[in-house]
Amino acid sequence: QKEVEQNSGPLSVPEGAIASLNCTYSDRVSQSFFWYRQYSGKSPELIMSIYSNGDKEDGRFTAQLNKASQYVSLLIRDSQPSDSATYLCAVKWGSNYKLTFGKGTLLTVNP
Amino acid sequence: NAGVTQTPKFRILKIGQSMTLQCAQDMNHNYMYWYRQDPGMGLKLIYYSVGAGITDKGEVPNGYNVSRSTTEDFPLRLELAAPSQTSVYFCASSSGQGAYNEQFFGPGTRLTVL
Repeated sequence: QKEVEQNSGPLSVPEGAIASLNCTYSDRVSQSFFWYRQYSGKSPELIMSIYSNGDKEDGRFTAQLNKASQYVSLLIRDSQPSDSATYLCAVKWGSNYKLTFGKGTLLTVNP
Repeated sequence: NAGVTQTPKFRILKIGQSMTLQCAQDMNHNYMYWYRQDPGMGLKLIYYSVGAGITDKGEVPNGYNVSRSTTEDFPLRLELAAPSQTSVYFCASSSGQGAYNEQFFGPGTRLTVL
């Protein structure tokens, strides 16, 4: 059973701080990793994807992947109240086009 | 480009009733997926399809059926609705190409079974 684990939170940070969201996965045969943002009552929205070890930056978002440690993280710099949402980590396994999702981490950014 | 659309947005069913949740995409994606999301939980895959005429079970298929007669449409059928099927249902699609194969989600259908 492939598993994706996230700290459910809630994670609370002040406005302007760096929010760090973490995700671990159980199977080394993993190709691609995704971070989705989900506002309350809305559908998941893709914000970052990564498949190589190291960092990938997109604006205020940085995804970090360490395949040896089976760990992927999302950093949000200069956090804004509009970043308050649940962040879902998802993993694509091998050549299979299915994703396995973690339960999500609730982030609250306080003004 | 509407992306992934779902109807209805909300529905209340009585135990034992049946219904079909509609999903359509206009991105010419081969891959389509149905998920359910219960409060405080991640997304669980119900069924998926890799192309017209091809479907397969996900993690939680019991109580559901699907069909895929066209590339655009992927309806989810609930037979004999049960309270355990109260959930939010999301349809998603992807191109099935490249290392990322990002999935794009519809707005969801909130279903309550009483």
